[in-house]
Amino acid sequence: GNSVTQMEGPVTLSEEAFLTINCTYTATGYPSLFWYVQYPGEGLQLLLKATKADDKGSNKGFEATYRKETTSFHLEKGSVQVSDSAVYFCALVSGGYNKLIFGAGTRLAVHP
Amino acid sequence: EAGVAQSPRYKIIEKRQSVAFWCNPISGHATLYWYQQILGQGPKLLIQFQNNGVVDDSQLPKDRFSAERLKGVDSTLKIQPAKLEDSAVYLCASSLGKGQGRRNYGYTFGSGTRLTVV
Repeated sequence: GNSVTQMEGPVTLSEEAFLTINCTYTATGYPSLFWYVQYPGEGLQLLLKATKADDKGSNKGFEATYRKETTSFHLEKGSVQVSDSAVYFCALVSGGYNKLIFGAGTRLAVHP
Repeated sequence: EAGVAQSPRYKIIEKRQSVAFWCNPISGHATLYWYQQILGQGPKLLIQFQNNGVVDDSQLPKDRFSAERLKGVDSTLKIQPAKLEDSAVYLCASSLGKGQGRRNYGYTFGSGTRLTVV
């Protein structure tokens, strides 16, 4: 079946460091891929998405490229801020009924 | 546009008691989802409605969980009787629905109901 695997956290970085959170997927057909973010005490928010191979999603300085050959959708940011501290979820949709499947999440902690 | 409304925000019950959660999706969204998010894990889909019909309930523990979406608008999720392992945040989400195209994924999540079973 369809599934998403993320790197385990927590990821702890200093402010202005480079961020990579790895995400790989298994899916039939051609899924669409997403990154969601959950800030402390808040609900899930869509961060970025990519709907076909080689697409790059970007938002708020974060980027992820849909790599079909490696079935990956790694999240990157060149310079993280303390305000980026949150849990990040990689997700996919595949199939006719738009079923959204999440990875386990990766907690990011950024220190000043 | 109003978001997805859920209530209550928090609930504490004893094991073997019953509990119900309510969700009101965004107006016009045909698809409604209930997810269970256990602490430290990603959200797991429990049930998906398309209008008032169920399209996926493969991971719903049907011996104790039930859900309905009368009239294709708001929805309730019930647990009876609750177990300790049901402690989680229950998230409701909605989207425009099937056939909206690969580039239109307007999923919107509610703030969730945090359930603690003691």
